[in-house]
Amino acid sequence: SQQGEEDPQALSIQEGENATMNCSYKTSINNLQWYRQNSGRGLVHLILIRSNEREKHSGRLRVTLDTSKKSSSLLITASRAADTASYFCATAYGGATNKLIFGTGTLLAVQP
Amino acid sequence: EAGVAQSPRYKIIEKRQSVAFWCNPISGHATLYWYQQILGQGPKLLIQFQNNGVVDDSQLPKDRFSAERLKGVDSTLKIQPAKLEDSAVYLCASSLVSGTSGRGGNEQFFGPGTRLTVL
Repeated sequence: SQQGEEDPQALSIQEGENATMNCSYKTSINNLQWYRQNSGRGLVHLILIRSNEREKHSGRLRVTLDTSKKSSSLLITASRAADTASYFCATAYGGATNKLIFGTGTLLAVQP
Repeated sequence: EAGVAQSPRYKIIEKRQSVAFWCNPISGHATLYWYQQILGQGPKLLIQFQNNGVVDDSQLPKDRFSAERLKGVDSTLKIQPAKLEDSAVYLCASSLVSGTSGRGGNEQFFGPGTRLTVL
C-alpha cells in the first residue's frame, strides 16, 4: 500500500501544550499536505509543503519534511480545545494527476 | 465563496439496493474527486475527474460503482448493487488544478460528505 502512516494514532494533551504528529510514506512525492477533520467542519486543508521545501509555517502550525527519511511532522503550538480533531497527512504522487494518498490519521484530544 | 455541496447527507439502504450521491464543486474548480472513508481510516480516492474526463479510476470497483461528471461541473456517484462493506462516508472534493504547476499546488476542498449505511 502507498498509504502514509501517522504516529501516534492518538494523542491527548492539555490546552496550551504543543502537539507533534509524524507521518511516514513510501515512495517519492510531489508534495505533502496536512488535513484536519472534525465533526463540525469536515475535512479541511491545513498546509502544503513541496518536495523541495524542508520547513513551512502557517500561524500556529509548523511542518517539516525530510525526503531522505520519507517523513514529515506537524507541530501545533499553544494548542486549544478547538484543535481537537483527527489529523491526516496526504502525499501527492504522479505527474499530471497529482494523486493524493491519505494516511491513517492521528486523533488529537486537547483537554481544557 | 460557496463550498463543495453534497447531497444527501445521510442514506440508509438495504444490501443489493442502489444509491446515488450528488456533488457540486466550487465554481471554477476543474478537478473533482470522490473518496470513500471507512470508519477509523483515511479517505481513499475512488475517482478523479479533470473537467469532464476521468484521469484516475484505478481504485473504483467498476463492477458496482460508476461516476460521471457531465458538462464538467457537478457529478454523481452511483453504487449498484450495494454491499454491506460499502458502508462509509463518501466525500467529494474539488481543486483548481491537479498538476504541480498550479498556484498553491493541488490543495483540495472537501464537501460535508454523505454517510451511507448498508443494512
